[in-house]
Amino acid sequence: RKEVEQDPGPFNVPEGATVAFNCTYSNSASQSFFWYRQDCRKEPKLLMSVYSSGNEDGRFTAQLNRASQYISLLIRDSKLSDSATYLCVVSMTNNDMRFGAGTRLTVKP
Amino acid sequence: DVKVTQSSRYLVKRTGEKVFLECVQDMDHENMFWYRQDPGLGLRLIYFSYDVKMKEKGDIPEGYSVSREKKERFSLILESASTNQTSMYLCASSLRNQETQYFGPGTRLLVL
Repeated sequence: RKEVEQDPGPFNVPEGATVAFNCTYSNSASQSFFWYRQDCRKEPKLLMSVYSSGNEDGRFTAQLNRASQYISLLIRDSKLSDSATYLCVVSMTNNDMRFGAGTRLTVKP
Repeated sequence: DVKVTQSSRYLVKRTGEKVFLECVQDMDHENMFWYRQDPGLGLRLIYFSYDVKMKEKGDIPEGYSVSREKKERFSLILESASTNQTSMYLCASSLRNQETQYFGPGTRLLVL
């Protein structure tokens, strides 16, 4: 079983749609959680950290459920520029980060 | 802005060649990492370094070695390249006690 699992997609949604991705992790001792975004043929970049209380950054909302060991990312009012692969990342320490394989999102006009 | 640069964007090598991938960061970060990224597998950690001349094995160190002679530079070495090392190689750096990693643009390596 992979340590971090994501639905690979692709998710194809129209502009303006709301889309949600889930991610599950296997190590209950995981400490920190993140979503990274990776554009085609580019490097991953931090999108947002995920806090236990849930957090929001504009159109993006991240949630953590420690009991069920899953993380979610909700994107409201999707834009064409949101098209990318979204990587779920879980870490034990700052030197031990585990990356999911990514969920691909395509937003269409 | 943090800048992480990698020596090559694309590289083609032959089986058995020795390959050097260089990574340089300009933000005085203590931690540096080398990952490979393959479809369906996500990023897997090859080696990391938390200080000059220090190195730690990641999850898949076999067939690789690293060198960190200066704080800003972290090199990945494939001693004898094999076709199963064809991959995208990503370098990253971070501050000592922070988890946010900053990635370089990646090197796509093809081993023939």
